[in-house]
Amino acid sequence: DTAVSQTPKYLVTQMGNDKSIKCEQNLGHDTMYWYKQDSKKFLKIMFSYNNKELIINETVPNRFSPKSPDKAHLNLHINSLELGDSAVYFCASSLGLLEGPTGELFFGEGSRLTVL
Amino acid sequence: DQQVKQNSPSLSVQEGRISILNCDYTNSMFDYFLWYKKYPAEGPTFLISISSIKDKNEDGRFTVFLNKSAKHLSLHIVPSQPGDSAVYFCAARDSNYQLIWGAGTKLIIKP
Repeated sequence: DTAVSQTPKYLVTQMGNDKSIKCEQNLGHDTMYWYKQDSKKFLKIMFSYNNKELIINETVPNRFSPKSPDKAHLNLHINSLELGDSAVYFCASSLGLLEGPTGELFFGEGSRLTVL
Repeated sequence: DQQVKQNSPSLSVQEGRISILNCDYTNSMFDYFLWYKKYPAEGPTFLISISSIKDKNEDGRFTVFLNKSAKHLSLHIVPSQPGDSAVYFCAARDSNYQLIWGAGTKLIIKP
């Protein structure tokens, strides 16, 4: 059983299209995240949800819209895709907000998005 | 402006020897530091962490050292094994409880 699963794993699409990446966690965690790993390999947080409530919304274009139907799911919808959106997107979850002693995140396998 | 830096993109170590991965940071308000390990086509997995009030934490073959005055931490793996070949990310927790990540160091263990 995969703890944090995201689909699709690979996504190739044309500029201007709209696409979604889905994420589900079966760990019973309260907090979920979307990270973007850019071409320089840095992991940068995009969004964080705690119990379906938006907690962190970093400076990302408003073409990116997260949706959390319940605390086990956090989907990422991207409108009007651009070349610069090509990256690997990682979903993650944690027991609660990262106020605890460990700050441990559980990551999905990543979704590689290629915009042509 | 990178607050967490891993200056070595890659490191090659002989099996059985010690691997030392380094990480430097600029923000003295970071209160927790973590190391994650990532295999190709997988997400990062938590490895070990250290609170800013400590200078060492050990877990089996893995030890993390923190030098606050130098704003430097390191991960020691001894003895290194082939399964340790992966990308290692250093991350630091800021006052907003966000994790700030380094760019990673690719560790290659040679047989």
